[in-house]
Amino acid sequence: KAGVTQTPRYLIKTRGQQVTLSCSPISGHRSVSWYQQTPGQGLQFLFEYFSETQRNKGNFPGRFSGRQFSNSRSEMNVSTLELGDSALYLCASTPSFTQWFFGPGTRLTVL
Amino acid sequence: GENVEQHPSTLSVQEGDSAVIKCTYSDSASNYFPWYKQELGKGPQLIIDIRSNVGEKKDQRIAVTLNKTAKHFSLHITETQPEDSAVYFCAASMNTGNQFYFGTGTSLTVIP
Repeated sequence: KAGVTQTPRYLIKTRGQQVTLSCSPISGHRSVSWYQQTPGQGLQFLFEYFSETQRNKGNFPGRFSGRQFSNSRSEMNVSTLELGDSALYLCASTPSFTQWFFGPGTRLTVL
Repeated sequence: GENVEQHPSTLSVQEGDSAVIKCTYSDSASNYFPWYKQELGKGPQLIIDIRSNVGEKKDQRIAVTLNKTAKHFSLHITETQPEDSAVYFCAASMNTGNQFYFGTGTSLTVIP
């Protein structure tokens, strides 16, 4: 079974731009979560989606948003990028709120 | 909110020795505790997890123990091998559907 896939794997943007990251969960998994990983703050929860509904949101500004599609694929968007948004963005999926499986992440660099 | 502390931040062991990583949590409502291994350039990989109704769980060379009273849980790796070298994260959540609160990670190096 294929794992969680994230695209693109690497991204370079400049301050003020916006970016959209994509996540395809493991087949059959209906819930997706997003995390931001930085050396300074570690792994921090962004949001979680189930059946196209955001069920939970972390403590991030409104510039961070996401959505889930009917096929369970998810996207997250960051608008008006700041230097501090440089991070590894991780997506995870679960079949039924048992165990969560992470993708390889998208490495975002903001210049 | 929940606060998870993890120690040590770095750990070096000789191949074949055991490694122990410890985590504490603050919220007694947390009841699910997974451990993840992250290799360079990869996402975290679930290696073992434990729920609050269990005190210990073992999977081959890896074991996790949980002390609910003291609010701490530990990862034990026996007979370490070079391929065990990675960053290990503990996490806590109030149930598997909720967000995880992660520890700060332990960089484990197994010296051949």
